Amino acid sequence: AQSVTQLGSHVSVSEGALVLLRCNYSSSVPPYLFWYVQYPNQGLQLLLKYTTGATLVKGINGFEAEFKKSETSFHLTKPSAHMSDAAEYFCAVSASNTGNQFYFGTGTSLTVIP
Amino acid sequence: EPEVTQTPSHQVTQMGQEVILRCVPISNHLYFYWYRQILGQKVEFLVSFYNNEISEKSEIFDDQFSVERPDGSNFTLKIRSTKLEDSAMYFCASSASGSFYEQYFGPGTRLTVT
Repeated sequence: AQSVTQLGSHVSVSEGALVLLRCNYSSSVPPYLFWYVQYPNQGLQLLLKYTTGATLVKGINGFEAEFKKSETSFHLTKPSAHMSDAAEYFCAVSASNTGNQFYFGTGTSLTVIP
Repeated sequence: EPEVTQTPSHQVTQMGQEVILRCVPISNHLYFYWYRQILGQKVEFLVSFYNNEISEKSEIFDDQFSVERPDGSNFTLKIRSTKLEDSAMYFCASSASGSFYEQYFGPGTRLTVT
């Protein structure tokens, strides 16, 4: 079965500082990994995804994530936080042997301090 | 850019009443999903739908729930007799294909059961 653990339900960073949101996954087969962002009162928007190939993936709004199989991690980073990055971030995993459902983490709320 | 739409944005209903939540997936997508997010909790998978039938469902998706694609565009979630614990944000999603394709989420319907 697949599962996702997001360490830190709340993360605060100063504007301009590095953003690091942690995601660890559990999967018995090669996973497909996703990061979604949810702004207040809105739906989930895809930031980036890893399926196969290059382990460092770049997404929208300057975010990137690196798939590290040895660490079963897919942490999300952004070099310089912007006020508009304040939102809820969800890591999700799916896999070829479990159909199409996504398994989401509990989310990390990012606050950006001016 | 194509997007998933959902109506209504907010539905208030009394316990025991039937509700139908509506979604219009992206037109060329083949897989359709419902997820729910109870306030403060993670996004949970309910059901996936492909080729006019349910392909997967979670334990949450009991006999009170049903899904339908009544025409070529709409995808609905029906809750037959709502309970207080059904209060949540319900997200519809669609994807072009299987598990390694990103799912595109709608903005959600907030269901409040009183």
